[in-house]
Amino acid sequence: NAGVMQNPRHLVRRRGQEARLRCSPMKGHSHVYWYRQLPEEGLKFMVYLQKENIIDESGMPKERFSAEFPKEGPSILRIQQVVRGDSAAYFCASSPGTRWYEQYFGPGTRLTVT
Amino acid sequence: DQQVKQNSPSLSVQEGRISILNCDYTNSMFDYFLWYKKYPAEGPTFLISISSIKDKNEDGRFTVFLNKSAKHLSLHIVPSQPGDSAVYFCAATLYRNRSGTALIFGKGTTLSVSS
Repeated sequence: NAGVMQNPRHLVRRRGQEARLRCSPMKGHSHVYWYRQLPEEGLKFMVYLQKENIIDESGMPKERFSAEFPKEGPSILRIQQVVRGDSAAYFCASSPGTRWYEQYFGPGTRLTVT
Repeated sequence: DQQVKQNSPSLSVQEGRISILNCDYTNSMFDYFLWYKKYPAEGPTFLISISSIKDKNEDGRFTVFLNKSAKHLSLHIVPSQPGDSAVYFCAATLYRNRSGTALIFGKGTTLSVSS
């Protein structure tokens, strides 16, 4: 009974590099959400995707951030030209569609920008 | 502008006693409320939810109470156990479309249960 999987668990990037975070939802789940947690803060919604579609990206920064959930393979959150302020824990969650309000989270990717 | 607020950053309780975690919200249109538990270096774990049309939901040791007029909900844990020590997040959601929507989280309350 595999849960939501995220990799890598830890990622270190220098300023200006690209970061790619991957998320595989729970089996049978076709809805994926990305959240970011800054130090001493709660989780903040970034983007909601279904297969091949971005449903809601109202929480995504306008520049440098993008997300996709292809027909095959994991969901990818991509951050281009990272800055120190991007250092945070990034969590992916999935839900089955029914009981849409219950989201199941992965262990997160901790991004450190040096 | 925080729509979901957890005003107590921390709570300490003795094992066997009741833990009460509180949450306030500002948006009267929220239709589901949820509680998550989070251990360090792990993702949040779903605990319990409540629809806005109900005032109580119970699951084992966990009970959530909703007071819509006060825009307040609380999570009761009875009896508290040392393994309950974690950060607890309150979250709320709006029914925007048929299939899903974002969760809006509070900043969390750190619960410490001593034996």
